[in-house]
Amino acid sequence: GAVVSQHPSWVICKSGTSVKIECRSLDFQATTMFWYRQFPKQSLMLMATSNEGSKATYEQGVEKDKFLINHASLTLSTLTVTSAHPEDSSFYICSADTTAGVSSYEQYFGPGTRLTVT
Amino acid sequence: LAKTTQPISMDSYEGQEVNITCSHNNIATNDYITWYQQFPSQGPRFIIQGYKTKVTNEVASLFIPADRKSSTLSLPRVSLSDTAVYYCLVGDPGNTPLVFGKGTRLSVIA
Repeated sequence: GAVVSQHPSWVICKSGTSVKIECRSLDFQATTMFWYRQFPKQSLMLMATSNEGSKATYEQGVEKDKFLINHASLTLSTLTVTSAHPEDSSFYICSADTTAGVSSYEQYFGPGTRLTVT
Repeated sequence: LAKTTQPISMDSYEGQEVNITCSHNNIATNDYITWYQQFPSQGPRFIIQGYKTKVTNEVASLFIPADRKSSTLSLPRVSLSDTAVYYCLVGDPGNTPLVFGKGTRLSVIA
């Protein structure tokens, strides 16, 4: 099946620094990738939709200047958390869109990246 | 986007069949119903998807009544490893991003 990877799986950074998270579709091309954030014991919250070669579409309340998304190829999207603060500590999950056919649709999720800002 | 309502949590003993019902009263004509499973500190995993009636795969069955205002995920003979959060999502395939509700936390007890 389709596999999505994320790197790193976990990262600790100091407050004020920037962190880049990579999301790759390993065996398929993903026109669209999505970024989610999940706090402990809570559901996934959609942050942005990323289309290859174009600007990302951010959900209401998500700061586009703080969470920079780049989708430079059909297999790679990156999320950069700029000037990270402790409240940005969370579990970041990406997913990639693959449409198997008219009547079937699956979105494949990466394993997630645990970000801790100290 | 159609809003979904699921029980917050459920408990079950090993070997039992578990049915998790999801309400989606405002489902649109083009919407499909998709269920995902998530273990702690992992990304969600696709379980099953359907549009109407019944869908079955090697993992679960999905029952959708004629009015499509609800759906039921059925997990046969659960084991301890099925302890996870199960999310019901409703949306137009390929047209809208998936929006997750609160999910149902299933605890399987030995």
